[in-house]
Amino acid sequence: KNEVEQSPQNLTAQEGEFITINCSYSVGISALHWLQQHPGGGIVSLFMLSSGKKKHGRLIATINIQEKHSSLHITASHPRDSAVYICAVRVRGSQGNLIFGKGTKLSVKP
Amino acid sequence: EAGVTQSPTHLIKTRGQQATLRCSPISGHTSVYWYQQALGLGLQFLLWYDEGEERNRGNFPPRFSGRQFPNYSSELNVNALELEDSALYLCASSPYGGRSNQPQHFGDGTRLSIL
Repeated sequence: KNEVEQSPQNLTAQEGEFITINCSYSVGISALHWLQQHPGGGIVSLFMLSSGKKKHGRLIATINIQEKHSSLHITASHPRDSAVYICAVRVRGSQGNLIFGKGTKLSVKP
Repeated sequence: EAGVTQSPTHLIKTRGQQATLRCSPISGHTSVYWYQQALGLGLQFLLWYDEGEERNRGNFPPRFSGRQFPNYSSELNVNALELEDSALYLCASSPYGGRSNQPQHFGDGTRLSIL
């Protein structure tokens, strides 16, 4: 079993829909990251959080440390949001590196 | 501010050859991380360098190695290339990675193809 699990693996939405991507992890963490990877391969860091909730534009990320669960929400989705969204965790006490989920491929249709 | 830059963008090699991939971190960042993303697999941690020293290593064979230079740029070397080494190799940088609250900034990657 992977230490970081994401769901769903694939998600197709219509433009304007509210989208939720989930991430569950099985280890103690010091931080959780949400990343966005476009088809060309480059990765953009969207959020880093260790508690509560963060918002940036139409994106909202929440984390529940007790339940070891995080969600990424996209409001008023747009075709340009189409990408792979990756959850990654920094294991508490670990030496620098991240452990990644397999990603959620989001396709937003116009 | 320039982001993390990687070169080359694409690299084609044959089995048994050696590959060298390069990464320049964001100015002021001392930590460089290398990750492998093979087709159909998630990102996997390869190596972490900070202040010129290897700080941690993922579960990869010794033919994956690297170094960090005094200007904090880094090289990843892969010897005796095998077909399964075909992947996107991503570099990320952060201020000292030993602190948990440092985000990592990623480059666009080097796509290595083994023929």
